[in-house]
Amino acid sequence: EPEVTQTPSHQVTQMGQEVILRCVPISNHLYFYWYRQILGQKVEFLVSFYNNEISEKSEIFDDQFSVERPDGSNFTLKIRSTKLEDSAMYFCASSARGKGEKLFFGSGTQLSVL
Amino acid sequence: AQSVTQPDIHITVSEGASLELRCNYSYGATPYLFWYVQSPGQGLQLLLKYFSGDTLVQGIKGFEAEFKRSQSSFNLRKPSVHWSDAAEYFCAVGGQTGANNLFFGTGTRLTVIP
Repeated sequence: EPEVTQTPSHQVTQMGQEVILRCVPISNHLYFYWYRQILGQKVEFLVSFYNNEISEKSEIFDDQFSVERPDGSNFTLKIRSTKLEDSAMYFCASSARGKGEKLFFGSGTQLSVL
Repeated sequence: AQSVTQPDIHITVSEGASLELRCNYSYGATPYLFWYVQSPGQGLQLLLKYFSGDTLVQGIKGFEAEFKRSQSSFNLRKPSVHWSDAAEYFCAVGGQTGANNLFFGTGTRLTVIP
C-alpha cells in the first residue's frame, strides 16, 4: 500500500523557536491534512489543503501555524514560535479526493517543546 | 457539535476471543463513519468506513462494524482476535456536507493476552 512519510519522527525544540514538520504525501493525491494528538487526548484536525490553498482550518490553527507545499511533493507545517502546549504527535494525511475519501496517514512526528 | 465518544479506554481480551469496541457519535447531518487502527510507531490505518447502504460494513483484517442510526453507534467487532490485533483503535466521524475534516474519539487501547 502507498505510504505517507513524515520527517523527523521526533523533534525537540525550545519554547519560542520555529519548527518545520515535513511530510511527503502519496504522489497522486490532491488533498492534504495535518492533525495532532496531545498525549492522552483526541486526534484533532488542524488544517486541510487543496489546490495550493487552505480549504479548512480549525480553531487550533492560529497565526502561529502555516502550511506550504513548496515543491509539488512536500507538504510542510510550520509553527512560528512554539509553546509548551504545542507538544504533541503531529500527523500528516493525504487523500486522492475530498469528502469522505480514505485518508492515508503518516506515522507522525512527535514534537516536544521544552 | 460533532463529537465521537469511545467509552472504553483500555480493553483486554484473550487471543481467539471475540471483540467489540464501542463508538457513539454526535453529528447533525448524515455522517461518514470510520475506524482507524494505530500500531506502535505507525500511522493511522483505515480499517473500514460507512457512507450509506448496508449498515454492516466489512473491513480489513477480519473486522466489521455496524451502523445503528437509532443508537448513534458504530461499534467495531471481530469474531476471533489475534495477538497482532493489539493496537490503539480510533473511531472517527466526518460530514457528507460541509467541512471535510474528521472528528476522532479518544481511542481504545486493545491488549491481547495469550
